[in-house]
Amino acid sequence: GDSVTQMEGPVTLSEEAFLTINCTYTATGYPSLFWYVQYPGEGLQLLLKATKADDKGSNKGFEATYRKETTSFHLEKGSVQVSDSAVYFCALRKDTGFQKLVFGTGTRLLVSP
Amino acid sequence: ETGVTQSPTHLIKTRGQQVTLRCSSQSGHNTVSWYQQALGQGPQFIFQYYREEENGRGNFPPRFSGLQFPNYSSELNVNALELDDSALYLCASSLEANTEAFFGQGTRLTVV
Repeated sequence: GDSVTQMEGPVTLSEEAFLTINCTYTATGYPSLFWYVQYPGEGLQLLLKATKADDKGSNKGFEATYRKETTSFHLEKGSVQVSDSAVYFCALRKDTGFQKLVFGTGTRLLVSP
Repeated sequence: ETGVTQSPTHLIKTRGQQVTLRCSSQSGHNTVSWYQQALGQGPQFIFQYYREEENGRGNFPPRFSGLQFPNYSSELNVNALELDDSALYLCASSLEANTEAFFGQGTRLTVV
């Protein structure tokens, strides 16, 4: 079945460091891909998305490019802030029939001053 | 615009009991999906309701059931609670079944 694999955390960085969180997926067809962020005690917020190959999603300095050839959707940010500390989830959605999100296990990011 | 709201925020139940969780969808949204997020895991899809009908279901037993009302709010019912049902339950609403999902803050259920 469809699945998403993320790098295990926690990822610990100093403020202004470069961030990469790896995400690969397994799915038939052409899923849409998402990154969600979960701050402590809160639900999920959509961070960015891409709906087709080579699309780049971006928001708040975060970017991810849909790479069909490597089935990847890695999250990057050039300079992290303490406020970026959260859990990040990669997810896919098949746009046929009813639609559900399939999530990875999440990667915790800790940014220190 | 009011977002997705869930109640209660926290709940403690005893094994074998029944529980009902509630979700008010965002204004104008006719689709509600429910997810279970165990500690340290990603959310797992339970089911989706579209215009008061179940539109799809994940790999959860029948003791997980749901309902969507004419105002598109929704309930998740779990019977015969087990310890493994302890999790954060997330509700998400969307304008239509194939559009962006907006999540509530979740209900933390603890089964003892």
